[in-house]
Amino acid sequence: DAGVIQSPRHEVTEMGQEVTLRCKPISGHDYLFWYRQTMMRGLELLIYFNNNVPIDDSGMPEDRFSAKMPNASFSTLKIQPSEPRDSAVYFCASSRTGNYGYTFGSGTRLTVV
Amino acid sequence: AQKITQTQPGMFVQEKEAVTLDCTYDTSDPSYGLFWYKQPSSGEMIFLIYQGSYDQQNATEGRYSLNFQKARKSANLVISASQLGDSAMYFCAMWEDSSYKLIFGSGTRLLVRP
Repeated sequence: DAGVIQSPRHEVTEMGQEVTLRCKPISGHDYLFWYRQTMMRGLELLIYFNNNVPIDDSGMPEDRFSAKMPNASFSTLKIQPSEPRDSAVYFCASSRTGNYGYTFGSGTRLTVV
Repeated sequence: AQKITQTQPGMFVQEKEAVTLDCTYDTSDPSYGLFWYKQPSSGEMIFLIYQGSYDQQNATEGRYSLNFQKARKSANLVISASQLGDSAMYFCAMWEDSSYKLIFGSGTRLLVRP
């Protein structure tokens, strides 16, 4: 089991550019979560999916953020246009119904300059 | 709405001693779960221990135990025989059966002194 795989590990981009973060959940997991971690706000849940369907996106900060899950093995979080305040570590996690283990990926450290 | 509170921003403990990290929660859902995660300086989130709301016994995993007091809505983490490698951020988190989303507290930074 390869765990939750996130890419890239680090991303540095200029303000105004589009950024796409990627996540491959653990096979067989039907829940996928996107979190953002900053010093000021801690770990925030941005959006989560169940069986590829977005269930709750109330944590998405604004329209510049969007997330998709086209199939059970892939999800993206896109920021367009990016701003310096989007700089954070973005985590993806997955879980399976009935199993209370949430497995996190290694995170993507995003820096917007 | 679910809520998790960790009131200790930072704590020190002497190596080989026990330490308790506090966590209180609030929920109206009778079915919920409580988690503790460790985040070392390398940044990954490591699952430590889980307690379900209907579990009769306090959860234990090696040197970690969860002191679950349902009436007080507290779920404190106890680390016995602290090791230098226990120095890290520790997050308490809660899951509700009605939503299945995991919400985190603000974390406690633990520093183990040699």
